[in-house]
Amino acid sequence: DADVTQTPRNRITKTGKRIMLECSQTKGHDRMYWYRQDPGLGLRLIYYSFDVKDINKGEISDGYSVSRQAQAKFSLSLESAIPNQTALYFCATGSRQAAGGYTFGSGTRLTVV
Amino acid sequence: DQQVKQNSPSLSVQEGRISILNCDYTNSMFDYFLWYKKYPAEGPTFLISISSIKDKNEDGRFTVFLNKSAKHLSLHIVPSQPGDSAVYFCAATFQGAQKLVFGQGTRLTINP
Repeated sequence: DADVTQTPRNRITKTGKRIMLECSQTKGHDRMYWYRQDPGLGLRLIYYSFDVKDINKGEISDGYSVSRQAQAKFSLSLESAIPNQTALYFCATGSRQAAGGYTFGSGTRLTVV
Repeated sequence: DQQVKQNSPSLSVQEGRISILNCDYTNSMFDYFLWYKKYPAEGPTFLISISSIKDKNEDGRFTVFLNKSAKHLSLHIVPSQPGDSAVYFCAATFQGAQKLVFGQGTRLTINP
C-alpha cells in the first residue's frame, strides 16, 4: 500500500457542487499539506496542518476548506466548485525530522465543468 | 510574488550528455533546498537536497550546486538517461518555516 493515499484519483464535477478530496497516510508524520499543480505555476500551497488541532491557510486558500480528522487523515473540500479550480491536487506529509522533505500522494485530477 | 523561480519550462538533452536544471530564489532567509522529480500520473518524489552551509551535494549521477550570493541553485545529471525524463521541481524552505515553496517546474526530455 502507498504511504500517502489520495481518493479519488480522478473526478469530474459540475460548477456549484460540493466535493471532498481525501488523503490518508501511514508514514506516521504529524504534518500534512494540500497543494495544487497548474501548468506554468508549479505547486501552490492551499492548506497545511501540524496536528489535529492545528490548521493553517496557504497562499491560495480561498474557495477551499480542510478537515484534519485524525493524525493520519486530512481532507480538502471545495464548497462550491468553479471551473478555475480544475487542477491536479496533491496531498503531502512531512515531519520535523524528514530531511527529504515531503512524501506526496499520487494526486487527484479534478475537472470542474 | 514567486519566491522560487524555474525560468525554463522545458529542456531537451541527448542521452549520455549532461542535463543542467536551474532555479533562482528571492528570499534570503531560505537555508535548505530540495529537488523533486515527477513522472506523469504520480506524485513528486524527493531527489536530492542541499543545506545553505554547503555549496555542493552529490548523490550518484545527481549533483546540486548552490550559489548563495547569486541566490541560484542548479541540478546536474550526468550522464542523462531516458528514465530521467520527467518534470523537476525546485523547492526551498528555512528553519521554522515548516513548509516548502516550490518553483514552476522544468520538463526534462532525454532523447535517445
